[in-house]
Amino acid sequence: AQSVTQPDIHITVSEGASLELRCNYSYGATPYLFWYVQSPGQGLQLLLKYFSGDTLVQGIKGFEAEFKRSQSSFNLRKPSVHWSDAAEYFCAVGLYGGATNKLIFGTGTLLAVQP
Amino acid sequence: NAGVTQTPKFRILKIGQSMTLQCTQDMNHNYMYWYRQDPGMGLKLIYYSVGAGITDKGEVPNGYNVSRSTTEDFPLRLELAAPSQTSVYFCASSYRGAVGDTQYFGPGTRLTVL
Repeated sequence: AQSVTQPDIHITVSEGASLELRCNYSYGATPYLFWYVQSPGQGLQLLLKYFSGDTLVQGIKGFEAEFKRSQSSFNLRKPSVHWSDAAEYFCAVGLYGGATNKLIFGTGTLLAVQP
Repeated sequence: NAGVTQTPKFRILKIGQSMTLQCTQDMNHNYMYWYRQDPGMGLKLIYYSVGAGITDKGEVPNGYNVSRSTTEDFPLRLELAAPSQTSVYFCASSYRGAVGDTQYFGPGTRLTVL
């Protein structure tokens, strides 16, 4: 069955440090992959998505993610974290489910940023 | 352009009570979705709609009902609330239902059933 795994439940980084959030997926075909961010008290906002082409995808707020088929991974990265990046991050796989697409979400990674 | 709006933001229900969670989008999107988010879990799809008058079940539909009388509104009804329905509920919309389409999310409704 299709699934998404985010191995890190909680990560703390210092402001200005680099960040990598891990995401692994299980899916038989080439997946559609998404990263969403949920700031406190807010809904989910799309950071970036991948479905073909260049395996390094640029998103908003200085984030990027790299699709690695051999590792079934789609890790999210940022070279220098800002305090405002503290939020929960969700990786998701998009599937065609008949009448509409469906998103299978990972369990999320909560990012804390130390000053 | 408000995007996707949800009311109320918070609600406490007693077991057996009913309520309706409201969701409205002003982006003229055809597709709308309801998700629930439980602690330590990813979002699970409850119901979705591909247009006015058309709805279908998602992964966890039991205990919920929906309707879609207009393009803009997609209310979620809880009948006979149970503690297992304590969760954060998100409404989302997308222009189409294609796999790569972006879903736009509302701010959520935090529901507690006691």
